[in-house]
Amino acid sequence: ETGVTQTPRHLVMGMTNKKSLKCEQHLGHNAMYWYKQSAKKPLELMFVYNFKEQTENNSVPSRFSPECPNSSHLFLHLHTLQPEDSALYLCASSLLGGETQYFGPGTRLLVL
Amino acid sequence: LAKTTQPISMDSYEGQEVNITCSHNNIATNDYITWYQQFPSQGPRFIIQGYKTKVTNEVASLFIPADRKSSTLSLPRVSLSDTAVYYCLVAYAGGGNKLTFGTGTQLKVEL
Repeated sequence: ETGVTQTPRHLVMGMTNKKSLKCEQHLGHNAMYWYKQSAKKPLELMFVYNFKEQTENNSVPSRFSPECPNSSHLFLHLHTLQPEDSALYLCASSLLGGETQYFGPGTRLLVL
Repeated sequence: LAKTTQPISMDSYEGQEVNITCSHNNIATNDYITWYQQFPSQGPRFIIQGYKTKVTNEVASLFIPADRKSSTLSLPRVSLSDTAVYYCLVAYAGGGNKLTFGTGTQLKVEL
C-alpha cells in the first residue's frame, strides 16, 4: 500500500462510452499526476496538478479531461476514446515540487 | 531534465547481488537521483534516493561517485520476487515535479 488508491482497477469501454477514473491519496500531498503506460513503452506524463491547479498538460487529446476538486482527489474523465488509448493509467502524488512520487496501482483500460 | 541511460535488461540468480548502473552525464547541481521498481500492471514503487556518496535502506543501496555522472543501484541477495523493471530518474529537488521515465532495466531473477 502506497497511500494512493485508484478505482476501478480494470475498465472495458466502447468508443462511444463516457467513464471516469478516480484517484485518492491519503499522504497529505499537494501535487497529483496522471500517467499513461502503453504496452512495452515508458510512462508518459499526462497532467500535473499543484494545489488543485493544473500546471501541466502534456499535449493530451481533449477526449481526456482531468478534474481535481481538492488536493486529495483526482479524476480522469474519458469520452469517445480510441482503441489506441488502451493502456495502464497511473495516478501519483507528491509534495509540491517533490522529486519523489508515490504511485497508485493503476487502472487497466481496454477500449473496444 | 537530465537524460539517463541504463541497460535494457539484466539476468541474475537467486541469492546473488545485482548492481544496475545508470549514467546521467548532464546532472545538475540541484538534481537528486531516484530509483523506482515496477512490477507488471502495477505502479512504480519508490526504492531509494540519493544525492551523493552512499545511501542504504532496508531494500537496497545506492552508490554515487563524486562527479555524480552515474549511480549504481545495488540489490543484495535477490530473489525471484525482485524480477521487475527498475527505473533510474534524475529530478530537480524542490522545484520540478516532471519525472521523465525511460525504458528502465528489466531484471530477471531465476532459480
